[in-house]
Formats: sequence, C-alpha cells, structure tokens
Amino acid sequence: EAGVVQSPRYKIIEKKQPVAFWCNPISGHNTLYWYRQNLGQGPELLIRYENEEAVDDSQLPKDRFSAERLKGVDSTLKIQPAELGDSAVYLCASSLDRTGKNEQFFGPGTRLTVL
Amino acid sequence: AQKITQTQPGMFVQEKEAVTLDCTYDTSDPSYGLFWYKQPSSGEMIFLIYQGSYDQQNATEGRYSLNFQKARKSANLVISASQLGDSAMYFCAMREAGYGGATNKLIFGTGTLLAVQP
Repeated sequence: EAGVVQSPRYKIIEKKQPVAFWCNPISGHNTLYWYRQNLGQGPELLIRYENEEAVDDSQLPKDRFSAERLKGVDSTLKIQPAELGDSAVYLCASSLDRTGKNEQFFGPGTRLTVL
Repeated sequence: AQKITQTQPGMFVQEKEAVTLDCTYDTSDPSYGLFWYKQPSSGEMIFLIYQGSYDQQNATEGRYSLNFQKARKSANLVISASQLGDSAMYFCAMREAGYGGATNKLIFGTGTLLAVQP
C-alpha cells in the first residue's frame, strides 16, 4: 500500500515569492492534516480536513497561507508571499478513523528554505 | 492548556541495551490518547505506539513499550535491545477528545534525539 506522497521534497525560494506544496493521502483516508515543523521543534497543526471540509484551521496564518482539498482527496498548501520565518518542514498526514487510536500516517515532508 | 514535555534533548545508548525516553503531559480532559513517533533523518514521522487514557494495561509493540503512569501524567517510551537503526528523533504526542468527540489534533513535544552506539 502506498504511503502519503508529498512533493516537492525540497524548495528554495526568495522572500515575497509564492510557493505551493502538494499532498496525496493514503487511499481511502478521509482526514488530511498539514503540519509545520520548525527546526528543533515538534510538528504543529496548520489545518485539518475531513473529506473536503476544513474543520480546524485555527492555526493557519490566513493572511498569507491558503489550502484546498478538492474532491476530498489530494490537497495543496500555498504560501503567498513567503517570509523568512516560513522556512520549515511542511508535513502532510492522513488518517481513516475518527475515534479510537486514529493513527496518523505522515508523508516525508517538504523542506522549505526562504532566502 | 494541553502540553507535552520531553526533558531529554539527547540520549546515548549502547547497542542491545534498553533505553527510556521521558514524556510528561498536561491536560484537563479525562479522555485522551498518547502517541510516540520516530523521525529518522529522512524526515518521515513513523508511528510507534499508542496508549489510550482508559487503557488498563501498558501498550506494547514489539521492542517498544509505553510506561503509562496516569497519576503522574507520564508516558515514557521504553525501547528494549536497541539497534543502530533506532538512532533518530523521538516525539511524544497527545490527542484530546475535545468537545463533541475526538478532535484528532495532535500536540507534539520537542523531541529527544537518540543515538545508538555500537
């Protein structure tokens, strides 16, 4: 079974430029998460989707970040314009169940460097 | 507010020995779940073990076991018979039930970097 797929794996851009990350969750997983992981820290949730609905975006900086999950499958996270402080690893995860263990499966992440 | 604390920035262990990674948590919710994830240098978060707050027994998964002490709000990970491939960052995380059911939001600690020496 294929895991969570993310692209690109690495991205280097100059500040004020736009950037987009793509995530394809595990087939059949209804819940999709975007996390940001700063250097030396644990991941922090940016947004969570249940199917195509964003049910928790309280931590998403909405002035410059946007996300979409068309048809409740793959998802795109966008930053426009990027700032130096956005340099981080952006992790996508997916899960199937809403109760119980509800294990989240993570992708390899996209490492963003803003110069 | 919910919080996860990992006080060990780094740990060394000899190959084939056991090691305990500490995790304490803070929550006012009686229903929660505790997770441990491994993050090798490749960056992917790998699920290791889960403990529900109402589980009576400590969770075990192969060489991994979770020492759950509810009254002390600790959920330490024990890795037995360490292997070189165990060298990685280890994150403790908590999920609260929240209002109306599971929120599915994980709160992570800052991690512990484990180095297994031959």
